Amino acid sequence: NAGVTQTPKFQVLKTGQSMTLQCAQDMNHEYMSWYRQDPGMGLRLIHYSVGAGITDQGEVPNGYNVSRSTTEDFPLRLLSAAPSQTSVYFCASSYPGGGEAFFGQGTRLTVV
Amino acid sequence: ILNVEQSPQSLHVQEGDSTNFTCSFPSSNFYALHWYRWETAKSPEALFVMTLNGDEKKKGRISATLNTKEGYSYLYIKGSQPEDSATYLCAFFNGNQFYFGTGTSLTVIP
Repeated sequence: NAGVTQTPKFQVLKTGQSMTLQCAQDMNHEYMSWYRQDPGMGLRLIHYSVGAGITDQGEVPNGYNVSRSTTEDFPLRLLSAAPSQTSVYFCASSYPGGGEAFFGQGTRLTVV
Repeated sequence: ILNVEQSPQSLHVQEGDSTNFTCSFPSSNFYALHWYRWETAKSPEALFVMTLNGDEKKKGRISATLNTKEGYSYLYIKGSQPEDSATYLCAFFNGNQFYFGTGTSLTVIP
């Protein structure tokens, strides 16, 4: 059982470049979300989705886009990378209504 | 922005000591309160999902209580072991979004 698969694990970008972080889950979870983790800040919600075709903004959405064309996949796009987006990113999925969240292994992104 | 606060920020205890942490959250729009264990270089893993006022959950030496009316939850670890060393996160769910605290970092000294 793969659970939540997040790729890549590490990435270095130059300022202004774009990229997509991939997230896929095989548990048929309707709720998926993206977080960034910065020192002293805890996990902060970027975007979330309650099902295919539905997405919404979290606490820190600026500079990021998401889409949810299938139940399984929830990619996060950085449109024009900035050094302030250097962080560790986690994707998570759960059943709706506040069920246990399952996390991917994280992506360490550095923007230079 | 909704505040979820955890205390203490970090804790060092001797092997065999019992310890507890606090998570404070808003008492309105409550759906669920989660506790996660997060080991270095790994991903957070769920310990407990609590939904009802007065809930008490237990898993081995770890237990948690919930008071939704006053907006707090306690996590207890009895007889701490070195393998309990990790960051413990709580997360408040308001029906739409999860809001995570910054965690309590526990180090158990052998």
